[in-house]
Amino acid sequence: GQQLNQSPQSMFIQEGEDVSMNCTSSSIFNTWLWYKQDPGEGPVLLIALYKAGELTSNGRLTAQFGITRKDSFLNISASIPSDVGIYFCAGQPSNNAGNMLTFGGGTRLMVKP
Amino acid sequence: GAVVSQHPSRVICKSGTSVKIECRSLDFQATTMFWYRQFPKQSLMLMATSNEGSKATYEQGVEKDKFLINHASLTLSTLTVTSAHPEDSSFYICSARGRRASPLHFGNGTRLTVT
Repeated sequence: GQQLNQSPQSMFIQEGEDVSMNCTSSSIFNTWLWYKQDPGEGPVLLIALYKAGELTSNGRLTAQFGITRKDSFLNISASIPSDVGIYFCAGQPSNNAGNMLTFGGGTRLMVKP
Repeated sequence: GAVVSQHPSRVICKSGTSVKIECRSLDFQATTMFWYRQFPKQSLMLMATSNEGSKATYEQGVEKDKFLINHASLTLSTLTVTSAHPEDSSFYICSARGRRASPLHFGNGTRLTVT
């Protein structure tokens, strides 16, 4: 199905650095979700956003639902080695009657100790 | 928090056999469950939407006779890969949602290897 445009595709950073990734869409979304997937496991929900402009934090993670409802970003502050993994954005389009999610292509994060 | 349990986590089977994967919502009732397939280094690809008590809705290109989905109760959905071929080898992940507006929670996935 349709994918969101997620960038960057991968990041290789030094421990302690901040990280920022985002997703954009040409369609309006009602919900934005951010997940993290470790190798060989299913995605784990990090943050859920339900309102345009909403800014939500979960520990060192902060995510925002864009005002236009067509984008969202995820920031990770002071990265640590266990932040390594693939981060996916996911959204529910406003015209989606089936409650299905559209996923971004993922951002692979690598952290150098 | 919401927990989705998927079993088995890994399975190896021979070509031509069938494999059943279970997805259970442990602490909530899931009226809708979703089955995804994920290839290495790629995003999740929705295969089908499973609604309790009714037939699953398959995405375009997914063979319903090959990937049989049963959602017999509010806490259990199963995906059966029939007559498995090596190209069916993949990571299969289920997800479940309780109330309509609640976020989607994922199982831990099943790594299927067909030899």
